Amino acid sequence: GENVEQHPSTLSVQEGDSAVIKCTYSDSASNYFPWYKQELGKRPQLIIDIRSNVGEKKDQRIAVTLNKTAKHFSLHITETQPEDSAVYFCAASIGGNNRLAFGKGNQVVVIP
Amino acid sequence: DAGITQSPRHKVTETGTPVTLRCHQTENHRYMYWYRQDPGHGLRLIHYSYGVKDTDKGEVSDGYSVSRSKTEDFLLTLESATSSQTSVYFCAISELAGDTGELFFGEGSRLTVL
Repeated sequence: GENVEQHPSTLSVQEGDSAVIKCTYSDSASNYFPWYKQELGKRPQLIIDIRSNVGEKKDQRIAVTLNKTAKHFSLHITETQPEDSAVYFCAASIGGNNRLAFGKGNQVVVIP
Repeated sequence: DAGITQSPRHKVTETGTPVTLRCHQTENHRYMYWYRQDPGHGLRLIHYSYGVKDTDKGEVSDGYSVSRSKTEDFLLTLESATSSQTSVYFCAISELAGDTGELFFGEGSRLTVL
C-alpha cells in the first residue's frame, strides 16, 4: 500500500524565516497531494493541495511543489509568523480507493 | 466550518465495555471517514463509507465496526474496548472521493479506556 513519510519530524524557525517540509510517497499511481494544518487542540484543516498534472501551486505565503519522478512533494512557508506554529500533515491519494494515506506529521515551531 | 459534529467529545470507559461514537453531518456529503490520531502515528484510517450502507475497511480496522443507515450519520463502534484504543477519534466528510477532494474534519472525540 501507499507509504507516506515526512521529514523533519520537528522544525523550529525564527519568525520571518522560511520553513520547508518534505514528504515522500511510494505509490506511483498517487495523483492528489494535500497538506493539512492542525493547531494545538484543533481539528486538521486543508491549507493547500496539488494534483499530479501541476508542478507547483501557491497561495499567499504557502506553496507546494511536486516532483513525480522522485516521488516527493514539499510545503514551503515564507515569512513565517507565530500563527504558523502547528502540526502539518501531508497526504497522498491511494489510487482508486477513495482515500488518502497520511504522513505522521511535522511539528513546526515559529520562534518570535 | 462544514456542518459536522461528533459525540461524545470526551469519554472515559473501562476495558471490555462497548463504545459507540457518532458522527453527524448536515452537508449531505457522500463520503464519511473515521480516523484515529495517536502521537507518532499521525492520522490513520479506521473505516470509511461511500454511501448509505456502503462501507469499507481502512488500515487499522481490527476491533472496530461501523454503520451508516442514513446519509447524515456514521457510527463507529468498539465492541469491547481495549487500552490500545485510547486515542483521539476524528470523523471527516467529503463531497468528492477522499482521494480527490477536501476532507472536512469534526472536532474530535477523546476516548480513554482504563
